[in-house]
Amino acid sequence: EVQILETGGGLVKPGGSLRLSCATSGFNFNDYFMNWVRQAPGKGLEWVAQIRNKYYDHGTHYAESLEDRVTISRDDSTSSIYLQVSSLRPEDTAIYYCTRSGSYYWYFDFWGPGTMVTVSS
Amino acid sequence: DVQMTQSPYNLAASPGESVSINCKASKSISKYLAWYQQKPGKANKLLIYDGSTLQSGIPSRFSGSRSGTDFTLTIRSLEPEDFGLYYCQQHNEYPLTFGSGTKLEIK
Repeated sequence: EVQILETGGGLVKPGGSLRLSCATSGFNFNDYFMNWVRQAPGKGLEWVAQIRNKYYDHGTHYAESLEDRVTISRDDSTSSIYLQVSSLRPEDTAIYYCTRSGSYYWYFDFWGPGTMVTVSS
Repeated sequence: DVQMTQSPYNLAASPGESVSINCKASKSISKYLAWYQQKPGKANKLLIYDGSTLQSGIPSRFSGSRSGTDFTLTIRSLEPEDFGLYYCQQHNEYPLTFGSGTKLEIK
């Protein structure tokens, strides 16, 4: 059974940084791309970043609006991915979801429950 | 970026009825559109990908269709568990983009 679980959310002051983690199990992690998608309170879904697998050299793609403030990474040895977010702003307040996609498909076939990030002073 | 225009914003229907949700891409995305269901307390669920391919385990009352850059999610014979939020997403090019969502409510 595919399992995805995000951790690391919480309350952060504007200008601060946060590292979100996503632990996975139940599938061959090396075969898949992974993503972060976020959702501000009462708003729609927004794709944030993708990291490819080792067969694609762990290449990354980012939403342009966030590209200079976020870094996605993965640890194939622990089947985990991470999202480092810096210079946090109130508008970064959102649920951050970790999702799975494939090397030949870019839809999200599995989602975690999400971790809430609140940026407020 | 590909803009996804989803409609309607809200939809009210009764169990047993059929409903349709639409998504229009701002440019060609070929067939590469996915539909998701979002419900409180549950992980988001992939319903359809490639415009009309039903994800494994999804009931056949869900279907997707395409006409050019216009895509439609149809739910036949609504069940009580079908009420929630629905989103489309183009999976043709980066950045991956979503529609604004449709809230399907019980009438």
